[in-house]
Amino acid sequence: DGGITQSPKYLFRKEGQNVTLSCEQNLNHDAMYWYRQDPGQGLRLIYYSQIVNDFQKGDIAEGYSVSREKKESFPLTVTSAQKNPTAFYLCASSIVHTKPGNTIYFGEGSWLTVV
Amino acid sequence: DQQVKQNSPSLSVQEGRISILNCDYTNSMFDYFLWYKKYPAEGPTFLISISSIKDKNEDGRFTVFLNKSAKHLSLHIVPSQPGDSAVYFCAAREDNYGQNFVFGPGTRLSVLP
Repeated sequence: DGGITQSPKYLFRKEGQNVTLSCEQNLNHDAMYWYRQDPGQGLRLIYYSQIVNDFQKGDIAEGYSVSREKKESFPLTVTSAQKNPTAFYLCASSIVHTKPGNTIYFGEGSWLTVV
Repeated sequence: DQQVKQNSPSLSVQEGRISILNCDYTNSMFDYFLWYKKYPAEGPTFLISISSIKDKNEDGRFTVFLNKSAKHLSLHIVPSQPGDSAVYFCAAREDNYGQNFVFGPGTRLSVLP
């Protein structure tokens, strides 16, 4: 089955701890993304990567870090510097090409709660 | 400053009637638009898209209309079904600006039986 797998689905973090959310895709997509959704709000871009070993900050990158060592994998680390980490995190991927027509596909999401 | 706006946070429609969800954008460089549907605690799923060279795209019960001069697009669902109850996100992409998709805040649609 092709798709995007996020794990864990639910994660609890103590204040001051770093946590890493996993995202793996087997769609052979070049680009991968991390979005955050807060209750009642839209999707905000944290980081995205168009190619292995390269990534760019999105609108709310502060307190987060990513790596892209493999095409299939784009883990997100929520560091202790992130002041409001409790949210629903969505990983996504898309084909990279310059013409319109590509679509961004999402994983099932991960709930992170700070306790 | 939101580049993609969905000014109606929620919408209620009777089953069988038409649902119209609206989206406005400010960036004239956007040339590709998408609609996604999202259930609680799940990832958004792609519904339908439209390129800026078209003004209408239809897929079954879903039709998207694009008015470039007004920087406005709308999603029509006919007939609406209770299973359509979800949050709908409008998204836009600027062709020459990497692969960044910009999402609106979403509209919660409730289809009443």
